[in-house]
Amino acid sequence: KNEVEQSPQNLTAQEGEFITINCSYSVGISALHWLQQHPGGGIVSLFMLSSGKKKHGRLIATINIQEKHSSLHITASHPRDSAVYICAVLRVSNYQLIWGAGTKLIIKP
Amino acid sequence: NAGVTQTPKFRILKIGQSMTLQCTQDMNHNYMYWYRQDPGMGLKLIYYSVGAGITDKGEVPNGYNVSRSTTEDFPLRLELAAPSQTSVYFCASNRSPQETQYFGPGTRLLVL
Repeated sequence: KNEVEQSPQNLTAQEGEFITINCSYSVGISALHWLQQHPGGGIVSLFMLSSGKKKHGRLIATINIQEKHSSLHITASHPRDSAVYICAVLRVSNYQLIWGAGTKLIIKP
Repeated sequence: NAGVTQTPKFRILKIGQSMTLQCTQDMNHNYMYWYRQDPGMGLKLIYYSVGAGITDKGEVPNGYNVSRSTTEDFPLRLELAAPSQTSVYFCASNRSPQETQYFGPGTRLLVL
């Protein structure tokens, strides 16, 4: 079993829909990252969380440390949000990132 | 600031050839990382460095070597290219492991 699991693997939605991407992990962590990988391949960090909730524009990230689960939400989704969204956790034992396989999101106009 | 730069963007190698993937950052970050990303898979850590002169193996180091003679540069060397090394390679850096990693644009490598 992978130490970081993301769901769904693929998600197609219509413009304007509310999007939720989930990340579950099985190791002790000191932080969790959400990143976005554009169709061209570039990787950009969206959030780093160690507790609670963060919001940036239409993006919201939450984490529940007890349940070892995080969610990334996109409100009022737009075709430009189409990308792969990656969850990565910072393992507390050696401070190395463990990466999820990513969720491919397509927003149709 | 240019951030993290990588060269080349794309390369085709024949089996058994060698090459060096270059990575440079201008943010004075101590920590630098090399990842590979295979299609449909998560990133896997090849090597990392916590400062000039200090490197360590990640999850998938076989077939690769690194050096870190300066804070800015962290080249990745493939000595005897194999088809299994066909992948996209990303370099990243940060000030400390607990902080955001900044990524280069990636190098797409095809070994035939």
